[in-house]
Amino acid sequence: AQSVAQPEDQVNVAEGNPLTVKCTYSVSGNPYLFWYVQYPNRGLQFLLKYITGDNLVKGSYGFEAEFNKSQTSFHLKKPSALVSDSALYFCAVRDGGSSNTGKLIFGQGTTLQVKP
Amino acid sequence: AAGVIQSPRHLIKEKRETATLKCYPIPRHDTVYWYQQGPGQDPQFLISFYEKMQSDKGSIPDRFSAQQFSDYHSELNMSSLELGDSALYFCASSRGRPAYEQYFGPGTRLTVT
Repeated sequence: AQSVAQPEDQVNVAEGNPLTVKCTYSVSGNPYLFWYVQYPNRGLQFLLKYITGDNLVKGSYGFEAEFNKSQTSFHLKKPSALVSDSALYFCAVRDGGSSNTGKLIFGQGTTLQVKP
Repeated sequence: AAGVIQSPRHLIKEKRETATLKCYPIPRHDTVYWYQQGPGQDPQFLISFYEKMQSDKGSIPDRFSAQQFSDYHSELNMSSLELGDSALYFCASSRGRPAYEQYFGPGTRLTVT
């Protein structure tokens, strides 16, 4: 069974400092990994994805994520946090098998709080 | 760029009533997914359609049904509503097989009183 874990309910960081939001996953086949951000009372916005290729993936708003197969992790990072980055972040996975219908399994979410 | 459209954005119903949520995918997207997000929870997959056929089913109650129409829009029908059905319902769409990223709509907030 597929699963995603985000071990931190909340991450606090000062503006201008680097940030990391952690995610580990479990799938039976090759993982397709995603990060989404959710602002209050809003939908989920796609940030970035890993399908194949380079382990370091660059996405929207200066975010990037590093795929680590041996550690089954896909941590979200940003070199310099902004107050406007404060939101709820979801890691998601789907099995990359060709028969998979594409449904996403989400982690529990991590609230990022960036303080001025 | 066009996004996923959901209507209504907010809906208030009483217990045992019915509700219909609508989703209009991004043009040329052939797959629609429905997710339910309870308060303080992560989105849970309900059901998906590819080319107007049901492609996968998750934790969708028997009281709920859904379909995708010829113009690719989808409707989620919910009957005998319960207080626990109060949640944010997201629709997402994607294009092609295998599908990669899904684009989410703004959600419909359903409140059952």
